[in-house]
Amino acid sequence: SAVISQKPSRDICQRGTSLTIQCQVDSQVTMMFWYRQQPGQSLTLIATANQGSEATYESGFVIDKFPISRPNLTFSTLTVSNMSPEDSSIYLCSGLQRMVSSYNEQFFGPGTRLTVL
Amino acid sequence: KNQVEQSPQSLIILEGKNCTLQCNYTVSPFSNLRWYKQDTGRGPVSLTIMTFSENTKSNGRYTATLDADTKQSSLHITASQLSDSASYICVVSPDHLGGGSYIPTFGRGTSLIVHP
Repeated sequence: SAVISQKPSRDICQRGTSLTIQCQVDSQVTMMFWYRQQPGQSLTLIATANQGSEATYESGFVIDKFPISRPNLTFSTLTVSNMSPEDSSIYLCSGLQRMVSSYNEQFFGPGTRLTVL
Repeated sequence: KNQVEQSPQSLIILEGKNCTLQCNYTVSPFSNLRWYKQDTGRGPVSLTIMTFSENTKSNGRYTATLDADTKQSSLHITASQLSDSASYICVVSPDHLGGGSYIPTFGRGTSLIVHP
């Protein structure tokens, strides 16, 4: 199974600044995703990180606000730009890996807890 | 629209007791259903995964069932422990063969609290 790490694990930021979150997977995954989880809520998909091309964003999320990079099969970054207190949330990186039995297994990083003041 | 509904939203039980969490879904075509455990401040960790041909899967004290005809799943926790206190999330993946969506649909989760 894949192990996913994220940096930083948490941060407190000032309004108007930007934060880049890094995600590293210890093995190749077919797909990488970024999710947001607000307190007491389930996970909301922000975008699918595509290797070498622009990410695919879900409704309500745009590239200018959440630029994403994925330079190779095991690394991705998510930037939260021009932050406001509404961006305070946990941001989770996820990878999809094809298993021997042909279904996809989805793994998650530990999350980055962001607080915007 | 693909949906995953979980119940109850929250549950409080005493240590040692059993409990069952429910998941209903409308995802079609269906590929697999997964139950995750998410401890506070941590990322979700997979407990079980079932394809349409499986109707039960166990992982220690966790047993998941699946009825693909009625599109229902349950997660049964036996002899609960304090460490079982967490959010349990049901995730259903579509069958994307043939070019369909590969995006899993997440339930809102059931928050379980186990009291001593």
